[in-house]
Amino acid sequence: GAGVSQSPSNKVTEKGKDVELRCDPISGHTALYWYRQSLGQGLEFLIYFQGNSAPDKSGLPSDRFSAERTGGSVSTLTIQRTQQEDSAVYLCASSTGGTASEQYFGPGTRLTVT
Amino acid sequence: EDKVVQSPLSLVVHEGDTVTLNCSYEVTNFRSLLWYKQEKKAPTFLFMLTSSGIEKKSGRLSSILDKKELFSILNITATQTGDSAVYLCAVEAVRNDMRFGAGTRLTVKP
Repeated sequence: GAGVSQSPSNKVTEKGKDVELRCDPISGHTALYWYRQSLGQGLEFLIYFQGNSAPDKSGLPSDRFSAERTGGSVSTLTIQRTQQEDSAVYLCASSTGGTASEQYFGPGTRLTVT
Repeated sequence: EDKVVQSPLSLVVHEGDTVTLNCSYEVTNFRSLLWYKQEKKAPTFLFMLTSSGIEKKSGRLSSILDKKELFSILNITATQTGDSAVYLCAVEAVRNDMRFGAGTRLTVKP
């Protein structure tokens, strides 16, 4: 299919370890978003990439979180020194661009920090 | 295969109208169904439903879940132009990823 894909689908890690989550957006989509969904909570915006512009990092909860987008396509969200409160589903979405554009979500990565 | 289907895909109404948005799902080990309003980059959480037949209400918005027939509806009464948005339905399954529907784009004209 041509939808947004994320990997891995599930990740269990020990507290203190680093993790990398990957997102492959829809081809040609210039905008890419990362969200976090904690149990029973709404989506929490993390970071937004638009084309070659500097990313909007306003939603990153701490400096342990970082993200990059290589070549305007694939994105990696990195969480360093994971904590138990980082356990959540991490969702990636892409769109044709602009904040009003409809976003297509990937299936998410469920991260469990033990 | 798990899936979430929303209908209609788009809807245009006039201020004051009442709208009903639909979400049907097929998910293994269902845990909850969530509705979001998406205007800008971060969808806004509206409701989380876990039990059948219990209506959740917030102002002019309300939602109910039918776990037997595997669907939920989101009602908006006395619509306003500020209600214009994409409404997303998502289903969370136990130990699985969240599955989102494609959304319903609602346009409320003055």
